[in-house]
Formats: sequence, structure tokens, C-alpha cells
Amino acid sequence: SQKIEQNSEALNIQEGKTATLTCNYTNYSPAYLQWYRQDPGRGPVFLLLIRENEKEKRKERLKVTFDTTLKQSLFHITASQPADSATYLCATVSGTYKYIFGTGTRLKVLA
Amino acid sequence: DAGVIQSPRHEVTEMGQEVTLRCKPISGHDYLFWYRQTMMRGLELLIYFNNNVPIDDSGMPEDRFSAKMPNASFSTLKIQPSEPRDSAVYFCASSFSGSNQPQHFGDGTRLSIL
Repeated sequence: SQKIEQNSEALNIQEGKTATLTCNYTNYSPAYLQWYRQDPGRGPVFLLLIRENEKEKRKERLKVTFDTTLKQSLFHITASQPADSATYLCATVSGTYKYIFGTGTRLKVLA
Repeated sequence: DAGVIQSPRHEVTEMGQEVTLRCKPISGHDYLFWYRQTMMRGLELLIYFNNNVPIDDSGMPEDRFSAKMPNASFSTLKIQPSEPRDSAVYFCASSFSGSNQPQHFGDGTRLSIL
């Protein structure tokens, strides 16, 4: 069955560094991937979408890549800030609207 | 703009009781989704609606779970009878048509079944 995997271990980095989060998918060739941010006690908030024919997408300090050969998407936050601390989820669609989410990676940016 | 509104935010009840979770989607969105989030399994899609019609309920875990959308501005997820393993955070999300459209989530209902 289609699966999305994210590193479940928390990622701690120093303020100002670049955070890189990984999303791997198996048994599937998604047309696009979405990335969401989730803060404690809140619902996920959409950040970026990248299509399979796009190698890279940027939005302010965020950058997402999509490697269909490796079956992987990388999510980068440059010049990270403590306010970037949250859980980041990747998601895709199986079929038409059947969304599949990864379990998320918790990021902590240390001041 | 009001986002997706869910109620209640927290619900604590004893097993065997009926639980009803409520959701008001963003006006104009024609898709509505119900999810369940747990530490072990992450965010799982339970059911989704298009123009108030249930399209895919294959994620609903058991017959104890049911969902309705009587109109474009309201949906309910009901669990009857509830069991301790139903304890989780339940999210409602809505979006425009187009499976690449971003989903807009409510802040969830934290459900605890004792």
C-alpha cells in the first residue's frame, strides 16, 4: 500500500542554521507533495506544494525539493528561528482526494 | 476570514456514551474531510464529502463511527458507543475542488474516552 515516511525522531538545530527534513514515499508515484506545519494544540497549516515535474520550490526561507528517482522530498528552512519550532508534515494524495500524511518530524530550533 | 471551526475543543466521556463532534467548514469550500490523529498512527483520513455527499468512508474504523453533512456549512462525526481506543484528536478540514488544493484544518477536538 502507499506509504509516506518521515523521520519520527525530533530534530534539534541551532538558530541561524538550515533545517532539513525528509519525506520518503513507497509503492507510489505521487503527482505532487504538500508540506504542512503543525503547532501543539493546533491543526496543520499548509505551507508549500511541489509537483513531480518541479525539482524545487521556494517561499521566503522555505525550500522544497522533489526527487522522483530517490522517491523523496526534502524540506529546508534556512536561517532558522526559534519560531520555526513545530512539527512538519508531508502529505500526498492516493487516487483523487484520499490524502495520506506522514507522521511528521518535530523540529526544535535552539536560541 | 473565519477558518474551519470545530466544537467542542475537548471532550471527556465514559466508554459506552455517544460522542458527537461538530465542524463548520470555510464558506465556499466544497470538500470536507474528517481525520483522526494519534501518536502511533499520525493523521488518518476517516471520510470525505463533496458538495455534502459522502464520497469515501473507507477510513472509518468501525460501524460505531458515522458522519453526516446535512448542509454546506455543517458536518458531524458521531461515535456510538465510544470506546477508550477512540481517544485521539479529531480534525476537520475543508478545501476547494482540486486534489492539489491546500486543506484548511480546524484546531481539532481532543477526545478522551475513560
